[in-house]
Amino acid sequence: AQSVTQLDSQVPVFEEAPVELRCNYSSSVSVYLFWYVQYPNQGLQLLLKYLSGSTLVKGINGFEAEFNKSQTSFHLRKPSVHISDTAEYFCAVKGTGGFKTIFGAGTRLFVKA
Amino acid sequence: NAGVTQTPKFRVLKTGQSMTLLCAQDMNHEYMYWYRQDPGMGLRLIHYSVGEGTTAKGEVPDGYNVSRLKKQNFLLGLESAAPSQTSVYFCASSYGTSGNTEAFFGQGTRLTVV
Repeated sequence: AQSVTQLDSQVPVFEEAPVELRCNYSSSVSVYLFWYVQYPNQGLQLLLKYLSGSTLVKGINGFEAEFNKSQTSFHLRKPSVHISDTAEYFCAVKGTGGFKTIFGAGTRLFVKA
Repeated sequence: NAGVTQTPKFRVLKTGQSMTLLCAQDMNHEYMYWYRQDPGMGLRLIHYSVGEGTTAKGEVPDGYNVSRLKKQNFLLGLESAAPSQTSVYFCASSYGTSGNTEAFFGQGTRLTVV
């Protein structure tokens, strides 16, 4: 079984500042890791995913995440945020042999002018 | 380019009423899922299906039933709605048996039970 913990429920940040959204996971098997974004009143869409290989993964809209196996973390970063990045971000995990995705509770990113 | 379509988008039910939420996907995906989203709890899996004619329980199945009579459709039923079922419901689908395939989501159905 897998579980996901997103360490911050809300992250306020000023426009053009860097941001990091933290995610830790636990699993007894190898996993794939995902970050999804949900804009207001919309469904979730994929930002990026880690499958294997390079631990630094780049996604859409300038976001990137780093997989750290020893710390079981998959933190999401962006060097300079925009107002349009205001949304809720979900970290998710799936066992490599499975098909169910387990989601974290979400982190609400609020970008201020 | 529809992807995953949910019907309806909004609904208000009285306690004890029944309803069916419809999910349709046009990507020929094998797997389909129903989640509910509640504040501070992320998405919790209600039921899922690994193919036409098959369904299975997720984390929070009580009070819900599902059917997958056609590959492209996944129905979620509430037989006797309760206020605790007030939530936003999301349908998702994914392709194939490999774990690395991401889920594609519908726009959600906001359900209020009064």
